[in-house]
Amino acid sequence: SQELEQSPQSLIVQEGKNLTINCTSSKTLYGLYWYKQKYGEGLIFLMMLQKGGEEKSHEKITAKLDEKKQQSSLHITASQPSHAGIYLCGAGHGSGNTGKLIFGQGTTLQVKP
Amino acid sequence: GAVVSQHPSRVICKSGTSVKIECRSLDFQATTMFWYRQFPKQSLMLMATSNEGSKATYEQGVEKDKFLINHASLTLSTLTVTSAHPEDSSFYICSAKQGVVTEAFFGQGTRLTVV
Repeated sequence: SQELEQSPQSLIVQEGKNLTINCTSSKTLYGLYWYKQKYGEGLIFLMMLQKGGEEKSHEKITAKLDEKKQQSSLHITASQPSHAGIYLCGAGHGSGNTGKLIFGQGTTLQVKP
Repeated sequence: GAVVSQHPSRVICKSGTSVKIECRSLDFQATTMFWYRQFPKQSLMLMATSNEGSKATYEQGVEKDKFLINHASLTLSTLTVTSAHPEDSSFYICSAKQGVVTEAFFGQGTRLTVV
């Protein structure tokens, strides 16, 4: 079965610093989602990537999917306290995207003012 | 994006009782809904897939008699935790999708505490 491995598991950065979170899949990705979650709350959709080499940006967050479609990275530029939370990558099952997702274990980000 | 609403957001129940969690798609028809479970400091684990008008499909290791899922309409799926025990305390979250649309939208989750 497909597995997603996120690294690092936790991260503490000083406000204003850049950071990168990685998500590596054991199988080819047919849809890679990035979500943000405040602990105990729902998921906030950030971005979805489907094509190898694809890159998307929203405000100060950029996500990329590598050419082989087995790894994605999430990059935050000039981090702010509002970026703090749990970042989850999710991937669709199999070759058809049914909407059913498996998730990485999450990366907890703390941003120190 | 589309809106998915879960109710209640928090519930405390006594051990041995049952509790129902609702997942509603507010502005679209959800042909498929998914139920996830999240333990503290862990990721989301898929429990079951719910298709409107048919029986839910449960993931391996999830007890279908304990976690009853009903998807009677295109806008509502319910998860009933029967004979709840403290180990069922968790964060339950649903997502919903419409037809062949690839993206699933998540509800805000329900924090269940069994005492």
